[in-house]
Parts: sequence; structure tokens; C-alpha cells
Amino acid sequence: KAGVTQTPRYLIKTRGQQVTLSCSPISGHRSVSWYQQTPGQGLQFLFEYFSETQRNKGNFPGRFSGRQFSNSRSEMNVSTLELGDSALYLCASSLGLGYNEQFFGPGTRLTVL
Amino acid sequence: AQTVTQSQPEMSVQEAETVTLSCTYDTSESNYYLFWYKQPPSRQMILVIRQEAYKQQNATENRFSVNFQKAAKSFSLKISDSQLGDTAMYFCALGSGTYKYIFGTGTRLKVLA
Repeated sequence: KAGVTQTPRYLIKTRGQQVTLSCSPISGHRSVSWYQQTPGQGLQFLFEYFSETQRNKGNFPGRFSGRQFSNSRSEMNVSTLELGDSALYLCASSLGLGYNEQFFGPGTRLTVL
Repeated sequence: AQTVTQSQPEMSVQEAETVTLSCTYDTSESNYYLFWYKQPPSRQMILVIRQEAYKQQNATENRFSVNFQKAAKSFSLKISDSQLGDTAMYFCALGSGTYKYIFGTGTRLKVLA
């Protein structure tokens, strides 16, 4: 069974631009969560989607948004990029809601110049 | 507020020795889950062990075991017979309430030959 995939793996953007990251969960998994990982802050929860609906949201500004498609694939969008948005963005999928094991993708490394 | 604290940013252990990674947490929820995830260098994060708060018995998974002290809100990970492949970043995580998962800032473990 294929694992969680994320595209692109690396991105370089400049301040003010916007970016879209993509995540394909493991087949059969309906829950997708997004995290921002930085050296000082660790992993911070962005949001979770289940059946195309946002179920949970972390404490991030409205510049961070996401969506989920009917095939469970998810996208995350960050508008008006700031230098502080430079991070590794991780996507994780799980079978459903609840505290099941999460399977993580390799991440997208975003650098904002 | 829900928090997870890992007070050891870095640790090292000799191959075949035992090491314990500390984690303390805080939550007002009565039902919650605790996790240890491992992130090897340049590799994807994987689940090491999972503990349900209502279960008294400490979880074990081969060489990995936890010491779950509910009253003290402590959840330490013990790695026995350490192997070079255990070198990784280890994250303690709390799953409860609205924000799905709260991760600690991680402990970087290096296993020395």
C-alpha cells in the first residue's frame, strides 16, 4: 500500500506570494491533518479534514487555509507569505476521526525569501 | 490550555544501553491519548507507541515501553537495547479535545557506536 505523498517536496517563494501544497493520503484513509514543523516550535497543528469538511483547526491566522476533495486528497494554501512561514509542512492521514495512528508524509520544505 | 513539554532537547546513549526520554503534559480532558512518534534524519515520522489514558497498563512495543503516570501527568519513553537505527528526533504528543494533537518540541536522540 502506497504511503502518504506530498508535492512538491521543496518550494522557494518570496514574501507576499501565495503557495499551494498537496497531500495524497493512504488509500482508504479519510482524515487528513496538516502540521507546521519549525526547529523552535516543533510540530504545530494547522487543521484536519474529514469527508471534505474541516473538523478541527489550530491557532493559525486566516492566511492558512485548506480543503479536501472527494477522493480524500487535500490541499493547503498559504496567502501573503511571510518570512516566518518558512517551515516543513507535514501532512498526516488516518482512517477516520478519533485518535488513531497518523501516517505522515515526507513533508514540503517551504522557504520564504 | 493543553500543553506537552519535553525538557530534554538532546540526548545520547551507547549502543545496547537503555535510555529514557521524558514528557509531561497537561489537559483538562478526562479522555485522551498519548503518543511517541519517531522522526529519523531525512525520513518520515512514524508512530512508536500509543497509550490510552483510561488504561492503567503501560504500553509496550518490542524494545519500546512507556511509564505512564497519570496523576503526575508524565509519559516517559524507555528504549531498551538501543540500536543505531534508533537515532532520531522523538516527539511526544497528546491527543484530546478540539486540537486533535499537541506535540512537544522533541528530543534529539543519538545512539553512539
